[in-house]
Amino acid sequence: RKEVEQDPGPFNVPEGATVAFNCTYSNSASQSFFWYRQDCRKEPKLLMSVYSSGNEDGRFTAQLNRASQYISLLIRDSKLSDSATYLCVVNRGRYSSASKIIFGSGTRLSIRP
Amino acid sequence: DAGVTQSPTHLIKTRGQHVTLRCSPISGHKSVSWYQQVLGQGPQFIFQYYEKEERGRGNFPDRFSARQFPNYSSELNVNALLLGDSALYLCASSLAGENSPLHFGNGTRLTVT
Repeated sequence: RKEVEQDPGPFNVPEGATVAFNCTYSNSASQSFFWYRQDCRKEPKLLMSVYSSGNEDGRFTAQLNRASQYISLLIRDSKLSDSATYLCVVNRGRYSSASKIIFGSGTRLSIRP
Repeated sequence: DAGVTQSPTHLIKTRGQHVTLRCSPISGHKSVSWYQQVLGQGPQFIFQYYEKEERGRGNFPDRFSARQFPNYSSELNVNALLLGDSALYLCASSLAGENSPLHFGNGTRLTVT
């Protein structure tokens, strides 16, 4: 079993739809969590950090459930420009000790007109 | 401000050769990490360095090594190249702290023939 798992998709949804992704992690010692987006043949770019209390940035909402060990990303009113691969990232350490940064395999999202 | 810069952008090597990839972090960032990404997968963590010391290591063979210099730039070395080492190699820099997001360079695309 992978340490960080995501539904690979692809998710194909119409413009304006709401779409949600989940990401599960297996190591309860995981410290910090992020969502990145990656466009085809480009480098990953930070979408948002995920905080314990949940956080929102415009049309994007991220949540963390430590008890069930998953994070989620909700995209409202999806735009064509949201088409990308969304990567879940878990950091399993602190800089004062061994750190290990784990990426999920990514969820592909395609928004159709 | 310059972002993370990686060189070279593309590289073609033959099996058994050695390769050195280079990365310059964003000014002020003291942590550098390296990732390998093959098509259709998320980036796989190779190494993390902070203040010139190794802080984390992924599940890669000893053929992979890295170091960080006093100016915080970094090199990734791969010896005895195998066909399976063909991938996009990404470098990311970040500020101190496990909650600091990663800023990626454009990557080096390595092809081993």
